[in-house]
Amino acid sequence: QTVVTQEPSFSVSPGGTVTLTCGLSFGSVSTTHYPSWYQQTPGHPPRTLIYSTNTRSSGVPDRFSGSILGNKAALTITGAQADDESYYYCVLFMRTGIWVFGGGTKLTVL
Amino acid sequence: QVHLQESGPGLVKPPETLSLTCTVSGYSIGSGYFWGWIRQPSGQGLEWIASVSHTGNTYYSPPLKSRVTMSLDSPNNQFFLRLTSVTAADTAIYFCARAGRGSKDFDYWGQGTQVTVSS
Repeated sequence: QTVVTQEPSFSVSPGGTVTLTCGLSFGSVSTTHYPSWYQQTPGHPPRTLIYSTNTRSSGVPDRFSGSILGNKAALTITGAQADDESYYYCVLFMRTGIWVFGGGTKLTVL
Repeated sequence: QVHLQESGPGLVKPPETLSLTCTVSGYSIGSGYFWGWIRQPSGQGLEWIASVSHTGNTYYSPPLKSRVTMSLDSPNNQFFLRLTSVTAADTAIYFCARAGRGSKDFDYWGQGTQVTVSS
């Protein structure tokens, strides 16, 4: 069974830069997995930040960027702000036509 | 603007069947995209359950495949989730969402509906 891995938690100072990653239990993440990233406040629907690896969704500040780093997808926040404190999820699309979410990262800005 | 709205019973007894409806406005579901269901137990992460293409091809999460069915009603612009033999582990907020055929991201989401499985 495919498992998508994310750091359970991360901290960043206001104004700092943080990179969250999204990996696979077996193999490497590539653009063919169409990695996308979501920000979520618990109990509310997620908000798309990045899709197709590195495309920012409409209205998303340019301090959010996506990439492939090594064998993982990555979400980088440059110049973190207090309201970036949230949960972040990645999801990968597999060749079999299924989606798999990562377990999510709780980002603290302090 | 595309809008999705989930509906269904908030309480289901084990081991009955959970049935949810997603009603879409602002876009004709038979015209394109994938349509899917994602759930989130309280305090936990997101779990993709199933998706259906605009032509009716279905895709299911392997751990849930034996219990899940998705279907489309294009004339009424609705799609459905059916989950059989529910247990307390199926208690969650259930979201319906649209996914891009090219981008594969979930670009529009419903607000979610809480489903509790309890006798």
